[in-house]
Parts: sequence; structure tokens; C-alpha cells
Amino acid sequence: DTGVSQDPRHKITKRGQNVTFRCDPISEHNRLYWYRQTLGQGPEFLTYFQNEAQLEKSRLLSDRFSAERPKGSFSTLEIQRTEQGDSAMYLCASSPPRQGRNTEAFFGQGTRLTVV
Amino acid sequence: GENVEQHPSTLSVQEGDSAVIKCTYSDSASNYFPWYKQELGKRPQLIIDIRSNVGEKKDQRIAVTLNKTAKHFSLHITETQPEDSAVYFCAAMRDSGYALNFGKGTSLLVTP
Repeated sequence: DTGVSQDPRHKITKRGQNVTFRCDPISEHNRLYWYRQTLGQGPEFLTYFQNEAQLEKSRLLSDRFSAERPKGSFSTLEIQRTEQGDSAMYLCASSPPRQGRNTEAFFGQGTRLTVV
Repeated sequence: GENVEQHPSTLSVQEGDSAVIKCTYSDSASNYFPWYKQELGKRPQLIIDIRSNVGEKKDQRIAVTLNKTAKHFSLHITETQPEDSAVYFCAAMRDSGYALNFGKGTSLLVTP
């Protein structure tokens, strides 16, 4: 499968624990996004990377959240001191280099986080 | 920021009928409007998109229309089939922006 892959697919954690998710974008896609989706809602933007640079962060991304994309390839999203409200599906997406205008974002299958 | 409203939240049609889903957006600078389909437990997948310099685009049974003046766009599915059952999301984005802003989704059920 040459699509966007995310790991793990499911994560159950106790409140207060730290969790880290990984996203491997499609090869040669320099743009990478993290979104959060809760039941009955559309994906909500969290953060955007262009190569290794984090260019945009949503106000939804509290200081407990941190994302990295070292070397401009895979990305990680860490949530510290998890809260029950963090329970959601975390989606990663990637896009090829922008050539003057936006193109399709390809989504991964997501990591479903449950905080108990 | 951009605000995308989507209606209806649920839609039930009989196989063979047409389905229409409507979205409005607030940012007049938005110029890229994709539609994603998400089946239960699966990733969102692009089914069609339209840019602001085009009023309508078709791909087989799917079409999207855009009214920039009114800031609304619609998805039309003709001759619906049970496999069209899914949640459909509209989104809007500026070419100069980074984030797709999604609507809340429409759960479409096509009954045989």
C-alpha cells in the first residue's frame, strides 16, 4: 500500500498518560497535515508541515500537543497528560508540492484514541 | 477564519433517486472546494473537487456546482446506488491557505 499510513490504528490510554502517533506520508509529498475528527463531525485542522517546517498550528492545538516532522518525511503527533476530551480519531493527510494552487489531500486511515 | 456549513446532516433516498447536499462558506477568498466520501471505519477519500473559476464539474454520476456570488456549492449524485451510502464532507480552502475547512458531514443512506 503506497498510501498514507498511520500507526497505531487504535490506542487506549489512561488519563494523564502521554501518547505518540506516527504518520508516514506518500513518498514525495512535501505537505503534511494533522486533523482531529470526533463522532458526527468533520475533520478539524490541527497543524500543517511543509517539508520539515511547521507552518501553521490551529488554536485547537493546546500546549499539551506537539508535532514534529524531522527530515521532512514521517511525522509524529504527541499528546501529553491526556484528557478524556482528547478521545477522537487523529487523521494524517499529505499532498504533493503545491504548484500555484491546491490539490487533493490524501488521508490515512487514522489513529483512534480512547482516553479512559 | 473560514466557516463551512453543510446541509442536510442526514439524507435517505431510494436507489435510483438523486441526492443533493449543499454547503455554504464564509471566506470570499476561498477558491478550492473538494468533496470527500467517508465510509464507515475508512479514510476520507476525494470524490470530486471544483475551483472558483468553474461553475460546474461532472464526473459520471457525480456533479458539483459552485455559486461564488452566493458563496455556496452543492454535490449532486444521480442514479444513486447502495454503495453510495457513506458520510460526505464538503470543504473549502484558499490557495494561499494551508488548511481544509470541513463541513460537519452528511450521512447518506441509499435503500434498495
